[in-house]
Amino acid sequence: DQQVKQNSPSLSVQEGRISILNCDYTNSMFDYFLWYKKYPAEGPTFLISISSIKDKNEDGRFTVFLNKSAKHLSLHIVPSQPGDSAVYFCAASGGRTGANNLFFGTGTRLTVIP
Amino acid sequence: DAGVIQSPRHEVTEMGQEVTLRCKPISGHNSLFWYRQTMMRGLELLIYFNNNVPIDDSGMPEDRFSAKMPNASFSTLKIQPSEPRDSAVYFCASSYDRVRFFGPGTRLTVL
Repeated sequence: DQQVKQNSPSLSVQEGRISILNCDYTNSMFDYFLWYKKYPAEGPTFLISISSIKDKNEDGRFTVFLNKSAKHLSLHIVPSQPGDSAVYFCAASGGRTGANNLFFGTGTRLTVIP
Repeated sequence: DAGVIQSPRHEVTEMGQEVTLRCKPISGHNSLFWYRQTMMRGLELLIYFNNNVPIDDSGMPEDRFSAKMPNASFSTLKIQPSEPRDSAVYFCASSYDRVRFFGPGTRLTVL
């Protein structure tokens, strides 16, 4: 059973505009959430994370929002750049599954159009 | 630091052959993870080690798969005998806290 879901397999955005990638989870015990970016023929690269004690974390152009009541998180990229074109995975861990068990979503392919 | 290092980057082998994938974690990281990525199942955890000790191998698909971590700077994932359905990209990752750092992966093709 998929505990972390990314329902949009792909997203296209114009350069300079905002990209919003969404992620839902089912396990209310998850307490740590991460976003990874993956280019072809490379491993996933850590982008940004958020603990469940926060509802927002910002790092440069990247902001992650967490809505615990809705079991939803999102990644905002502003402004979007062509180099941001990649597959983005959200991941979650915690609760009874333990901090070492990291559940990944299936990914959203972002294409930023110049 | 060079990051997580994996070798080989690509491996093509014939069914029935033994395959060994290698990983060097980031120095100072105390946890190491082996993942497999396929189109059908996405990223799935095979096994992880904490301080060189295997903690959870419930993701290892069959007895044909085995993993070792003889020291803090080296791990292997072995498939013997290999089968075409083992074809996938295998990632190694390491961590010292809750952020996992991935290697570039080994693309395995079993003919």
